[in-house]
Amino acid sequence: LAKTTQPISMDSYEGQEVNITCSHNNIATNDYITWYQQFPSQGPRFIIQGYKTKVTNEVASLFIPADRKSSTLSLPRVSLSDTAVYYCLVVKQAGTALIFGKGTTLSVSS
Amino acid sequence: DAGITQSPRHKVTETGTPVTLRCHQTENHRYMYWYRQDPGHGLRLIHYSYGVKDTDKGEVSDGYSVSRSKTEDFLLTLESATSSQTSVYFCAIRRSILAGARYEQYFGPGTRLTVT
Repeated sequence: LAKTTQPISMDSYEGQEVNITCSHNNIATNDYITWYQQFPSQGPRFIIQGYKTKVTNEVASLFIPADRKSSTLSLPRVSLSDTAVYYCLVVKQAGTALIFGKGTTLSVSS
Repeated sequence: DAGITQSPRHKVTETGTPVTLRCHQTENHRYMYWYRQDPGHGLRLIHYSYGVKDTDKGEVSDGYSVSRSKTEDFLLTLESATSSQTSVYFCAIRRSILAGARYEQYFGPGTRLTVT
């Protein structure tokens, strides 16, 4: 599985857009980029998954350039409740295992 | 809610005692997983199951065994608990994101285990 690199931590204020970038230089052709969110004392929660270009859902957008060696999770107008750890993962289409790194701790202040 | 529960939610036990954690799902998913989460390590896969009586090891399987005699239950056993197994344990199921295509893992609420 491709290794990912993302910032350890980020700070933001309420109402701002937050972009978290992840690099995955060794991504394979059949790999997908997936992001999870984890609040304290809870298990991780799936946010979004994409293969190329742009994916958007009600929570976030995921931007993937043509070379797919990086991706950016975009959280529009964050609130205090978006304070969490965000994990970037590269997974096989029908992969059985997830490899979690240390994630990015996002702190949102008022 | 995917209907995944873990029991117990909290447990304190002594070194050398056996401990079994239970993961229960209500949606008949084939794949189930056990992870542990420790400060500075993120989540690490212990064991997973791809069907009744079908299991495989993960990254940190030493000291742990699992069993799956029914689709809905996946048990994690620490045969002789050690202090290094103090951790938060998460169970997860694999479920489809889109019909027939991609998957996500859906996590349970976790079990906090302390070995003294």
